[in-house]
Amino acid sequence: GQSLEQPSEVTAVEGAIVQINCTYQTSGFYGLSWYQQHDGGAPTFLSYNALDGLEETGRFSSFLSRSDSYGYLLLQELQMKDSASYFCAVRDSPNAGKSTFGDGTTLTVKP
Amino acid sequence: GAGVSQSPSNKVTEKGKDVELRCDPISGHTALYWYRQRLGQGLEFLIYFQGNSAPDKSGLPSDRFSAERTGESVSTLTIQRTQQEDSAVYLCASSLDLPAEAFFGQGTRLTVV
Repeated sequence: GQSLEQPSEVTAVEGAIVQINCTYQTSGFYGLSWYQQHDGGAPTFLSYNALDGLEETGRFSSFLSRSDSYGYLLLQELQMKDSASYFCAVRDSPNAGKSTFGDGTTLTVKP
Repeated sequence: GAGVSQSPSNKVTEKGKDVELRCDPISGHTALYWYRQRLGQGLEFLIYFQGNSAPDKSGLPSDRFSAERTGESVSTLTIQRTQQEDSAVYLCASSLDLPAEAFFGQGTRLTVV
């Protein structure tokens, strides 16, 4: 089976940088994804790492270390609209839509 | 449509009743997924479809849950004899094909009273 751990809450101020960590235990691993979900909204895909290293997409970056079963999401130049829940998710097959999700990290950005 | 559409957006039902939840995927998307999200928790995989077939039903919690897809389009998730523990948001997602990114709908919030 799969299990993922991520912090339940993180608070930061506008303009700052925040890192959300995710560790996982898995019986099969094809990659680590990150999703953003605003309160009451649909989860939105942010990034996907299949190989070790850093992937950068604008203000968001995601990192993966398969040997450490660890990844993180880095959010830079935080904005108020970044306040949301962030989920890491492990793909245990090539099927991108079938993932095991963590319980999410609630990010609160303060002025 | 432009995105994944789910209906109803909210559903309140009495314990023991059956409910049907509908998902209209993005046109042309061959893969369709159902997830459940309990309050304050992550998404729990239920079932996925490739075309009209469901190769993986491993996440369905019990035989009270079933799903079908027709015309490689609309999918219906049916919960029979609903229980209070079925209360959750049920999310549908679709993707162009299996390896591609999945797009989620807004979900159906089911409350069993």
